Amino acid sequence: DTAVSQTPKYLVTQMGNDKSIKCEQNLGHDTMYWYKQDSKKFLKIMFSYNNKELIINETVPNRFSPKSPDKAHLNLHINSLELGDSAVYFCASSQGVTSTDTQYFGPGTRLTVL
Amino acid sequence: DAKTTQPTSMDCAEGRAANLPCNHSTISGNEYVYWYRQIHSQGPQYIIHGLKNNETNEMASLIITEDRKSSTLILPHATLRDTAVYYCIAYNTGTASKLTFGTGTRLQVTL
Repeated sequence: DTAVSQTPKYLVTQMGNDKSIKCEQNLGHDTMYWYKQDSKKFLKIMFSYNNKELIINETVPNRFSPKSPDKAHLNLHINSLELGDSAVYFCASSQGVTSTDTQYFGPGTRLTVL
Repeated sequence: DAKTTQPTSMDCAEGRAANLPCNHSTISGNEYVYWYRQIHSQGPQYIIHGLKNNETNEMASLIITEDRKSSTLILPHATLRDTAVYYCIAYNTGTASKLTFGTGTRLQVTL
């Protein structure tokens, strides 16, 4: 019973394609996040949703569109994929948005754009 | 969030205590010190966090200096499975609940 799960684990696709990554948490948390880890291993926040409302959007291209159908799910849709989008994408969740609300991460989705 | 500084890498013999230092000299009074680790490109794993007092859980201990300008994560009996990159993060949600990861410390546990 994985707490934060992501699908797919690996995604290989051509430039210009549109793809989605899905995230689900069964922790009953209200807040979910997407982080990106590039080839240099820097891990950076992309988006955050609290109770299905977008609360963080960090200078991410418009080609990236998060969608939260309910509090347990946060999906990431990417249009017109570019080579630079190749990275590992991590989903995370936390109970709330206070400093003591620990974030728990999923296993990651490795995206390779050819 | 305050910037943190960690050594790039450390080695530790299996069975010994691993002491990972972190400097956060500009930390503000309401910023917590969080530690995560990442084992070989897996998702970051939460270890421990604290504000002022020392903390201990089943994974590790966190020692925070009285002036809160530095802290040490202690893995009491390191095993090979503790080989990972360890991240120290000064965190206060304020207006944005985002974790800011630095480059971390790569801990290599050896036989």
